[in-house]
Amino acid sequence: DTAVSQTPKYLVTQMGNDKSIKCEQNLGHDTMYWYKQDSKKFLKIMFSYNNKELIINETVPNRFSPKSPDKAHLNLHINSLELGDSAVYFCASSQLYGGNTIYFGEGSWLTVV
Amino acid sequence: GENVEQHPSTLSVQEGDSAVIKCTYSDSASNYFPWYKQELGKGPQLIIDIRSNVGEKKDQRIAVTLNKTAKHFSLHITETQPEDSAVYFCAAGDFGNEKLTFGTGTRLTIIP
Repeated sequence: DTAVSQTPKYLVTQMGNDKSIKCEQNLGHDTMYWYKQDSKKFLKIMFSYNNKELIINETVPNRFSPKSPDKAHLNLHINSLELGDSAVYFCASSQLYGGNTIYFGEGSWLTVV
Repeated sequence: GENVEQHPSTLSVQEGDSAVIKCTYSDSASNYFPWYKQELGKGPQLIIDIRSNVGEKKDQRIAVTLNKTAKHFSLHITETQPEDSAVYFCAAGDFGNEKLTFGTGTRLTIIP
């Protein structure tokens, strides 16, 4: 019973394609996030949602569009993929805004060729 | 915005010795400082955190110290074991705020 699960774990796709990563949490948390980890291991927040409402939208190209159908799900859709989008994308959740443990999924390894 | 610097980027320690990782932050409003451990192929996992109203917190072999005046905090791991090998991230943020800023990570290798 994985707490934060995301699919797919690995994704290899060509430049210009559109792809989605799905995320679900079964912890009953109100807040969900998307983080990006690049090849140097830098971990940076992209988006956060609280009860399906967008709270944080960091300087992310609008090719990236998160969607939260309910508070247990936060999906990430990426249009017109570029080489620089290659990274590990982590979904995460927490009980309240900040200051509480953020639980990360296992990551989705995206490679754009 | 907050800026968190973390040192060293890599650290090799003999099994049984201690390891220390240091972070500095820029925003004096930050009052919550968690540490995450990321094992190979996994997502980061919280190992310990500290709030600004205390200077030190300990959990078995792991301790974190905080110096608010100097705006730096450190992770101390004693009696290191092979399973401590991982990438460690510090982070800083405002408790009650949804945004944490992560450090750049430290790859810790425990030499048997």
